[in-house]
This record gives sequence, structure tokens and C-alpha cells, in this order.
Amino acid sequence: AQSVTQLGSHVSVSEGALVLLRCNYSSSVPPYLFWYVQYPNQGLQLLLKYTTGATLVKGINGFEAEFKKSETSFHLTKPSAHMSDAAEYFCAVRNYGGSQGNLIFGKGTKLSVKP
Amino acid sequence: NAGVTQTPKFRVLKTGQSMTLLCAQDMNHEYMYWYRQDPGMGLRLIHYSVGEGTTAKGEVPDGYNVSRLKKQNFLLGLESAAPSQTSVYFCASSYSPSGGITDTQYFGPGTRLTVL
Repeated sequence: AQSVTQLGSHVSVSEGALVLLRCNYSSSVPPYLFWYVQYPNQGLQLLLKYTTGATLVKGINGFEAEFKKSETSFHLTKPSAHMSDAAEYFCAVRNYGGSQGNLIFGKGTKLSVKP
Repeated sequence: NAGVTQTPKFRVLKTGQSMTLLCAQDMNHEYMYWYRQDPGMGLRLIHYSVGEGTTAKGEVPDGYNVSRLKKQNFLLGLESAAPSQTSVYFCASSYSPSGGITDTQYFGPGTRLTVL
């Protein structure tokens, strides 16, 4: 069975600083991994996804994530935080089990950006 | 395109009351999903559908029923609401003609439900 662990329920950075949100996964098969962002009082929006191929994945709004099989990680980064990046971020892995197409989400990391 | 829409946006129920949440998508997607989001829990799948007329249970199906009579609509029903069902409910859809493993899920704006 697949699972996702997000380290840190709340991360605070200063504007212009590096953003690093951590995600580790557990999967007995090659995983398909996703990062979603949720702005206040809104639904989730896809930031980026890894399926196969290049392990460094670029997404929207300047975010990127690197799939590291040896570390079972898929950390999300952005070189320079903007105030508009304040949101909750969810890492997810595709479920290969009975509910085909289902996403298994981490518990989320809330990102705060200080001026 | 409106994408994925949900009705209503907010609702307050008393214990034991029933209600139906409506999800509609205009992207001709085959797969549709209902999730609930609780603080510190992430999103958990309630039920899903892989096509018109088909539904299946997800991770937390108890106390909910669903129907997919039309491809574009996916209804979530609470027959007898309980305070434990206070949550934010999200509908999502994805285009999955071949199985849906890599397809992106598109989410609606959510319904905030409070059960007193």
C-alpha cells in the first residue's frame, strides 16, 4: 500500500527566502507523485506531478520538486518565496490498489510567508 | 469552462437530517471523486466513480451514499447526518479513458458542512 508523510505541519519563511516542503512516500511499486496547493477557502490546484522520466519536475509559480528514489522523497522547493505563496500544500501518491485512480494525500503543510 | 462546481457552498444541519451535495463537471471527465478534508488529516476519499452508472467505496464511506446517473454529475448523500460528518467536502474529476493512473484530478471549491 502507498502512503505519504509530510514533515512539518507548518513552515514559515521570509519573503525572498528558499521554500522547502518535505514529502516522503512509501510504495512497493514505482510511484506517481503529486503536489497540490490550496489557497484559503479554495479547492486544490495541481502544482506539479512526477510519473516517469526526468526526476526534476517543474511546476507552476516557480515551484519544482525532485524525485529521489534512494531517499523515497519528493520535496517541493522554490528559490524565492513570495507573499502570494502563503497557502497549504499537499503531497499525494497515486493508489495502485482497488480504488484505481485514487490519490492518497499527506496531512498537508501550511506555508506562511513573512514580509 | 466552469470546471468543477459544487452546490451548496455552505450548509448547517441538525443531527439526523439528510442532505445531498451536488458536483458537476463540464470537462467530459470519466472519473469523479468525493473527498472530505478535516484539520490535520489531509483529504480522505469517501466514494468515487469510474463512469456513468458506476460507483465504488473509498477510504471512509460509512454514512454516505453516492449516485452517478449522468456523466457530468456526482451526488453525495448523507441520510442521517452526525456531528462527526462536520467537514469540508471536495469533489474532483479526472479524464481517464485508459485507467487514470497519471491523470490530473481537478477539484471543486468545496462545501463546508456543519452538523449540530
